[in-house]
Amino acid sequence: SQQGEEDPQALSIQEGENATMNCSYKTSINNLQWYRQNSGRGLVHLILIRSNEREKHSGRLRVTLDTSKKSSSLLITASRAADTASYFCATVRGGANSKLTFGKGITLSVRP
Amino acid sequence: GAVVSQHPSWVICKSGTSVKIECRSLDFQATTMFWYRQFPKQSLMLMATSNEGSKATYEQGVEKDKFLINHASLTLSTLTVTSAHPEDSSFYICSATLGDRGAWEQYFGPGTRLTVT
Repeated sequence: SQQGEEDPQALSIQEGENATMNCSYKTSINNLQWYRQNSGRGLVHLILIRSNEREKHSGRLRVTLDTSKKSSSLLITASRAADTASYFCATVRGGANSKLTFGKGITLSVRP
Repeated sequence: GAVVSQHPSWVICKSGTSVKIECRSLDFQATTMFWYRQFPKQSLMLMATSNEGSKATYEQGVEKDKFLINHASLTLSTLTVTSAHPEDSSFYICSATLGDRGAWEQYFGPGTRLTVT
């Protein structure tokens, strides 16, 4: 069953703008991960945030996690046309033997 | 590092035939590989977890006799779709993990587009 629910489902912005995507989940987690998928391709791991972390940065990416609200956000700053892709959050509930449970994904379009 | 390949990248087959998809970890040994299925504009759904040298663990609702998984070595897992039907048409993605990192750190292949006519 799916754990994460992202919103919005689709987002269209102008190059240079910031893109914010949200993910909500239902159960307690060990960590939450964000992935990018270009059309018809595999997934690229972007960032992992553990349940005891509140914020994490990686280049132009900023991820926050609010375990009390069971939600996470992914912020892409100064977006580029190359950021156009689908973005998925995925949760891990337990230890290393746990599975990745993906949300439905957000389609981001960055207009040049 | 940590590159996962899949072969073929796309395949078209006739209804009733079987199709084999390979997943290889190119530069590391993968104790565990995962197989996912993705319908257009939808999320990835885990089909099965495959450990080298043992039987795969299938998710609820996945027919193990239809989707045969073989993890014969630490660098190769195969998914065979037997007696394929049009409803099996989908994007199949595998992932592989390093050591004991399990689900925490999965490296994904580029996917295989299966079309059954």
